[in-house]
Formats: sequence, C-alpha cells, structure tokens
Amino acid sequence: EVQLVESGGGLVQPGGSLRLSCAASGFTLSTYSMNWVRQAPGKGLEWVSYISSSSSTIYYADSVKGRFTISRDNAKNSLYLQMNSLRAEDTAVYYCARGSGWYQGGWFDPWGQGTLVTVSS
Amino acid sequence: DIQMTQSPSSLSASVGDRVTITCRASQSISSYLNWYQQKPGKAPKVLIYAASSLQSGVPSRFSGSGSGTDFTLTISSLQPEDLATYYCQQSYSAPYTFGQGTKLEIK
Repeated sequence: EVQLVESGGGLVQPGGSLRLSCAASGFTLSTYSMNWVRQAPGKGLEWVSYISSSSSTIYYADSVKGRFTISRDNAKNSLYLQMNSLRAEDTAVYYCARGSGWYQGGWFDPWGQGTLVTVSS
Repeated sequence: DIQMTQSPSSLSASVGDRVTITCRASQSISSYLNWYQQKPGKAPKVLIYAASSLQSGVPSRFSGSGSGTDFTLTISSLQPEDLATYYCQQSYSAPYTFGQGTKLEIK
C-alpha cells in the first residue's frame, strides 16, 4: 500500500524551530517529486514547498522563503521540512504529498494524514 | 504568481442534483489543473487531474472540463457522501496555488 506518514509536529514558541518528517512506504521515493502543503485551522489549502526527485529543483511559497528548507533522503525513503523563525501564522496542519504525473507540478497523490504545528507562547 | 478563484465559496444541494463548481486562473495554465476533495477531518484526495482525467477509483459521476483560464468540476448526481470541500489547484508553474475552496453541503 502506498502510504505517507508525517511526524514532528507540536507546540513551539514564536521564533523557534521544528523539523517535520514524512516517511514513504509502498513506492520508491527516489522516482517522485514531493511537496509540503499546509492548512491553517478552519482555512483552505496552501502549497508550501516542492522538491524534485533528485533534489535538483526546489521551490518555496513566498510566505516561507528564507525560513523553511525542504530536503529528502531517498535512501531512507524520507522527506523533511526544516522550519525556522516560526511565526503564529505558521500554525497549521502540514501535509506531505507525492507529485504524480508527467508534468512538473503534476497532481498530488497520495497525501499523508498531516501533522499539527502550533506556534504560540 | 497565478491566482486561482473558485465559485461559489459554498453551496447547498439535494441528493440527485447536478452540481457545478467553477475555477478561474489569473492567466492561462493550459490543462494543468487538478481538483481535490477534502472531507471533514481528513486529508485531501485527488479527483481530477490534467483538467479532465478521472483519478483511478473515483466515481464516474465526477467530471472535469476546461482549458486556458476557465475550468469546471461537475458532479452529475449528488450523493450524501459527497459532503466535502472541493479545491482546484494549478500545477502549471510554481507556486502551485490552490483555489480558496468550495464547501458543499447536502440539503
């Protein structure tokens, strides 16, 4: 079964750091691009970051550029999101999602169950 | 950045109704448009990719159309389990923006 499982969320103070992980199973991570998408409480979906299969291409949303870093370890079948200088507005459920299809952005399938990040003092 | 605008933001329909949700891009995105369904408390799942291709396992009552800047998601006969929020997303160029969502309620 193709599955993504996020971990690493929690409560952090403003200005703090957190590292999210996404463990992939049931497929070979190295052949797919990956994404992080977040959803603030009661709000819509916001794309956060993209990384190509070989890590050669990386994109970020303007809202996180310079603070967040996406990375992957294909040997460990894992995706990461290092989040620094966290702000209250970063509070959200963070999902990892596999990029599928023949075009660069593709479509996101599957998604993990999400991990909640709360930034508060 | 490409802005995605969905309408309506919410709608209420009866079982068996035909439902249409529209999505407009701020510039042409060819057919690089995806539709997702998010049920309460769950992760999103893809319904339609490349504007009109039905994801495997998705009921055939869901369909998508459009190209360029204007797209539609249609549910041909609404079912109770279709209670959800629906999002469009462009994957033409980063940032891969989502629409604001359409919350579908069952009368």
